[in-house]
Amino acid sequence: DIVMTQSPDSLAVSLGERATINCKSNQSVLYSSNNANYLAWYQQKPGQPPELLIYWASTRESGVPDRFSGSGSGTDFTLTISSLQAEDVAVYYCQQYYSSPLTFGGGTKVEIK
Amino acid sequence: QLQLQESGPGLVKPSETLSLTCTVSGDSISSSNYYWGWIRQPPGKGLEWIGSIYYGGSTHYIPSLKSRVTISVDTSKNQFSLKVNSVTAADTAVYYCARHRWCSSSTFCLRDFQYWGQGTLVTVSS
Repeated sequence: DIVMTQSPDSLAVSLGERATINCKSNQSVLYSSNNANYLAWYQQKPGQPPELLIYWASTRESGVPDRFSGSGSGTDFTLTISSLQAEDVAVYYCQQYYSSPLTFGGGTKVEIK
Repeated sequence: QLQLQESGPGLVKPSETLSLTCTVSGDSISSSNYYWGWIRQPPGKGLEWIGSIYYGGSTHYIPSLKSRVTISVDTSKNQFSLKVNSVTAADTAVYYCARHRWCSSSTFCLRDFQYWGQGTLVTVSS
């Protein structure tokens, strides 16, 4: 199984400041034949289902604000919120879909400082 | 607009079978190149993928649950279902159904989860 490890577990950021979340896999999720990273990011607000933010490691889902961006390749990935807004308070998860079983990171809770 | 809605008992006794159904509206579950999946989240914890199914019947399951889980599809009702046998308190969770992103690959074809249901809490308790 591919193990996804997120850091930090939680972070507090001031409104308008940058938030950075890391996700590391214990094996590469980069598929060499198409040079694609099989990595997605989700946002989950309290009492709601997760919502897809980013897929293929860096492609924003339709309707997702451009303050959210994904980067990285191979085993190391980052989700960046460039200017934190109040509505961004949530838990964020990474997920690999390179191989079965599909696995999620443990989540990172983002709060307002 | 695709919508998914989970339904089923909110309380199941230990050792019995948990049964949930996901009703799909806004698209046909028989649409080519889409897998449909189940994910669960124990209270206060993270997300765990359970398994996914293609309308033609092809399934993938997480190995740790494979012996107890069955996912099936009913194209006539535009639904897919989850059964978990011999449940214990550890199976208490919010259960989500979801649709994977479209995939054209002829091999491994599970992608990110593009659409999610609202989730339903299932408690295992006597």
